[in-house]
Amino acid sequence: TQLLEQSPQFLSIQEGENLTVYCNSSSVFSSLQWYRQEPGEGPVLLVTVVTGGEVKKLKRLTFQFGDARKDSSLHITAAQPGDTGLYLCALSKGQGFSFIFGKGTRLLVKP
Amino acid sequence: NAGVTQTPKFRVLKTGQSMTLLCAQDMNHEYMYWYRQDPGMGLRLIHYSVGEGTTAKGEVPDGYNVSRLKKQNFLLGLESAAPSQTSVYFCASSYHLWGSQPQHFGDGTRLSIL
Repeated sequence: TQLLEQSPQFLSIQEGENLTVYCNSSSVFSSLQWYRQEPGEGPVLLVTVVTGGEVKKLKRLTFQFGDARKDSSLHITAAQPGDTGLYLCALSKGQGFSFIFGKGTRLLVKP
Repeated sequence: NAGVTQTPKFRVLKTGQSMTLLCAQDMNHEYMYWYRQDPGMGLRLIHYSVGEGTTAKGEVPDGYNVSRLKKQNFLLGLESAAPSQTSVYFCASSYHLWGSQPQHFGDGTRLSIL
């Protein structure tokens, strides 16, 4: 059973374009995190959310969380080559071992 | 502040050999984790620790052992390496368990088993 799905798997865009990537869960989560991983490095946390319907902004990145706490989206405005990387979402169900990473969306922003 | 340091960064082993991957963190975190990352599979938890002297199995523990003798160190061992264990291994640590706090990751160990 697929617990956490990210889409698209791969996205290639030109500098200056906007994009949205998605993270969908098959069950309700207690918290969700977005990470970005650059080649040759470990993932780095971008944002954590615990409230359904919450919207958080981090410069050109906007994170939106579904009211039902089962999905999330990441929107990047005016993408830059520095945004290139693997975007991972991870969720916790808050009960014992229940922290799952999605497979990620690999973003390539071409200058 | 070094954060999470993994050694070695690269290693090539022959099938059947053993080795230990070392993870060290200087943030006084209680919780530490070992993940493997394979193409198309995302990050999968191997083992984790909720404190010095404690360890627990994650999603894919078979073929691996771990030890947390000191709070700052978390060791991952492969007793008899197999080609299926070729992967990039990441160590992480956090102040609290799971999703309420960020996990801080090292830069990974790239392991190839021939």
